[in-house]
Amino acid sequence: DQQVKQNSPSLSVQEGRISILNCDYTNSMFDYFLWYKKYPAEGPTFLISISSIKDKNEDGRFTVFLNKSAKHLSLHIVPSQPGDSAVYFCAASRTSGTYKYIFGTGTRLKVLA
Amino acid sequence: DTGVSQNPRHKITKRGQNVTFRCDPISEHNRLYWYRQTLGQGPEFLTYFQNEAQLEKSRLLSDRFSAERPKGSFSTLEIQRTEQGDSAMYLCASSPDRGGLGYFGPGTRLTVT
Repeated sequence: DQQVKQNSPSLSVQEGRISILNCDYTNSMFDYFLWYKKYPAEGPTFLISISSIKDKNEDGRFTVFLNKSAKHLSLHIVPSQPGDSAVYFCAASRTSGTYKYIFGTGTRLKVLA
Repeated sequence: DTGVSQNPRHKITKRGQNVTFRCDPISEHNRLYWYRQTLGQGPEFLTYFQNEAQLEKSRLLSDRFSAERPKGSFSTLEIQRTEQGDSAMYLCASSPDRGGLGYFGPGTRLTVT
């Protein structure tokens, strides 16, 4: 049972435009969500997170939106840069117990110069 | 502080051999996690330590897998009688108490021939 889903395996965007990456989850007990970026042969690097008490969190070019009723979150990157090309993973967690992360399958973003 | 480190970075072994990986977390982090990532998938949770206590194990962690965290510092993950299906990237992550942000190491890529 895939509790966190990223239905778009890949996305291509022109440099300077907006990149929108989507993520859906099924477990309503999740209350903390994160986006990680991963380059080949490296571990995931934290990008941005959001608590379930918020519906938006912004950090520079990156904004995460959370729609709890739809169990959906999205990551917006504006403007997109070639260095943003990587695989992006959505992760969900419960802020109790182990705090383990449940990851989606990732979206490969390619920003075209 | 140099972040989470993992050794070796790459391991090639023959089927049936035993392998051991090491993870050194960020020094003040009490929580340590092992994840496994296979091609086309997101990282999957394997096990969790709070200090030296192993508090949760995924059903993915068969009897051939064992993890330890003596003295609550570094951790080892051992796989006995490796199988080709064990080929994956093994990721370690650590976080401070109260489930703060998880920082990942670069991973150990295991190839079983």
